[in-house]
Order: sequence, then C-alpha cells, then structure tokens
Amino acid sequence: EAGVAQSPRYKIIEKRQSVAFWCNPISGHATLYWYQQILGQGPKLLIQFQNNGVVDDSQLPKDRFSAERLKGVDSTLKIQPAKLEDSAVYLCASSWVGVGTEAFFGQGTRLTVV
Amino acid sequence: GENVEQHPSTLSVQEGDSAVIKCTYSDSASNYFPWYKQELGKRPQLIIDIRSNVGEKKDQRIAVTLNKTAKHFSLHITETQPEDSAVYFCAASSNTGNQFYFGTGTSLTVIP
Repeated sequence: EAGVAQSPRYKIIEKRQSVAFWCNPISGHATLYWYQQILGQGPKLLIQFQNNGVVDDSQLPKDRFSAERLKGVDSTLKIQPAKLEDSAVYLCASSWVGVGTEAFFGQGTRLTVV
Repeated sequence: GENVEQHPSTLSVQEGDSAVIKCTYSDSASNYFPWYKQELGKRPQLIIDIRSNVGEKKDQRIAVTLNKTAKHFSLHITETQPEDSAVYFCAASSNTGNQFYFGTGTSLTVIP
C-alpha cells in the first residue's frame, strides 16, 4: 500500500512568516495525527483527527497553529506567525480506527525558522 | 495526560551483544505499547508492539516485555548488528482515543 505522503520535505522561513504543511494519509485510514519532533526529542502529538473531526488538540498552540481535515482525507497544518522555537520536523501519521492500531508515519517536513 | 519516560538516552554496544531500553508510563488506562525505530533523516517505523493482555512478545532478535503493575515496558535486542544503529522510541496509547505518547528516544550505536 502507498504510504503517508507529506509535502514539502523542507521549508525555511523567517520568524513571523506563515507556513503550511500538507498530508495525504494511507487510503482508508480514518485517523490522522500531526506530530512535532524537535531535534533530539520524541514526537509530540499536536492534533488527532478521526475523519474530519478533532479527537485531541490539547497540545496544539492554538494562538499560532491551526489544522484542518475538511473532507476527512487530506490535512493541512498551518503556523502563523512562526517563531524560532517552531523549528522542528512535522510528522503526519495515519491509522485505522480503533484502539491499538499501528500508526504509519510520513517522511516529515523539516521546518527551519530563521 | 500520559507521560512516557525512556532510558537510557544513548546506548553503545559491541556487535553481537544485547541492548535493553526501558520505558515507564503514567496512565493506567494505557493498553497498547509500540516501539518505533527511526534511522537518521527517515520516518519512524514500527518494529514491535505489545498489548496489555500480554506480558511478553518476541519477533526474531527483538522482544518486548510489559509489567502492568509497575507500569514499565522494555525492548530487548539480541545479537545486535550495525544496522540496528538508530534512534528507538517507545510509545503508549490508551483505550480512550488511540493517541500515541512517545518517549524521548534512545540513540543506539552498535560498534562493529
């Protein structure tokens, strides 16, 4: 099966600019996650969707981050305005619905804020 | 929310030796514990997982053990090979929503 697709792979922006990341999950996977992975740390959950509804966004900095999954398939994550501390790899993952199902990760988008 | 701690942060072993990575979790509702391997610049990939109704699971050179009472689980890699060198992450997921909470990672280096 095709994997989780993310774009772009790399992005460099100046602080206070905005940026958007795109994710296409594995076909049929109703659950989609966005994770932030800062260098040397484990992935941190930002938001979890099931179809087009939000399951958990408790760790999403809502003053600057937003995410949507309008048709229950593709998703976009936006940062506006970006801060230096947002420099990280943003990973998208997807899974079948249900407890204890494997999450499949995309390659990630490496964001550098200068 | 769930808090997952992972130790050690770095681990170096000689080729052929065993490696053990340990994780603890805080939420007693967690019932699914996957382990991911992440090679440099690549995506995390699942290598083994265990559910709370099982105490141990083995897949060739890799095994995972779970102690629900103590809330800890461990990854064991035997007969390590240079290609095992990577960062390993443990994670915990609860039965309330399948959110995955990750540990801070262990950088494993296998010395030929």
